[in-house]
Amino acid sequence: GAGVSQSPRYKVAKRGQDVALRCDPISGHVSLFWYQQALGQGPEFLTYFQNEAQLDKSGLPSDRFFAERPEGSVSTLKIQRTQQEDSAVYLCASSPEGGLREQYFGPGTRLTVT
Amino acid sequence: AQSVTQPDIHITVSEGASLELRCNYSYGATPYLFWYVQSPGQGLQLLLKYFSGDTLVQGIKGFEAEFKRSQSSFNLRKPSVHWSDAAEYFCAVKGGGNKLTFGTGTQLKVEL
Repeated sequence: GAGVSQSPRYKVAKRGQDVALRCDPISGHVSLFWYQQALGQGPEFLTYFQNEAQLDKSGLPSDRFFAERPEGSVSTLKIQRTQQEDSAVYLCASSPEGGLREQYFGPGTRLTVT
Repeated sequence: AQSVTQPDIHITVSEGASLELRCNYSYGATPYLFWYVQSPGQGLQLLLKYFSGDTLVQGIKGFEAEFKRSQSSFNLRKPSVHWSDAAEYFCAVKGGGNKLTFGTGTQLKVEL
């Protein structure tokens, strides 16, 4: 079946612009996660949804970052007034449930802020 | 707080040689442990996972890993490396919450 998809795959933004990154999880997956992967680093947790509820946003680096999942399926990560330090790959993952099950990752969106 | 250390940033092995990638974790209780592989431009693919039970777990592509509680380790092994195994490998732990905490990764190069 279809895996996790993300769009766009690449995004170039000028400093100060707002961007929106989309994630389509595997159909029926309850949990959805966003991670940020800087160059040469491992992914770092940003936020977690169970259905439409955002249960953990402890990893969001600033109030410029905002995520939503209004209908419990597709999610959007929005970054306002982008800065150069926001340049990274943003990975989305979904899981059938939030407990023991593994997370399935999408290909990521590479954001470059110039 | 949970953490993961992958001490080797780069490893080079010859094709056909054995491989061991090291992973040490920090977590107060029994962790859930994972190994993921990432090829250039690709997302993370799960190789194997440990939740409980047998401490030697088998994964895809001929990989295995052994959970050693006394050493807080979860090293990844493969008896004979193929050129297509060249990629970046990440160890991860899931502790009290639902998020994964990743190590910084080990870049594997395979010499033909």
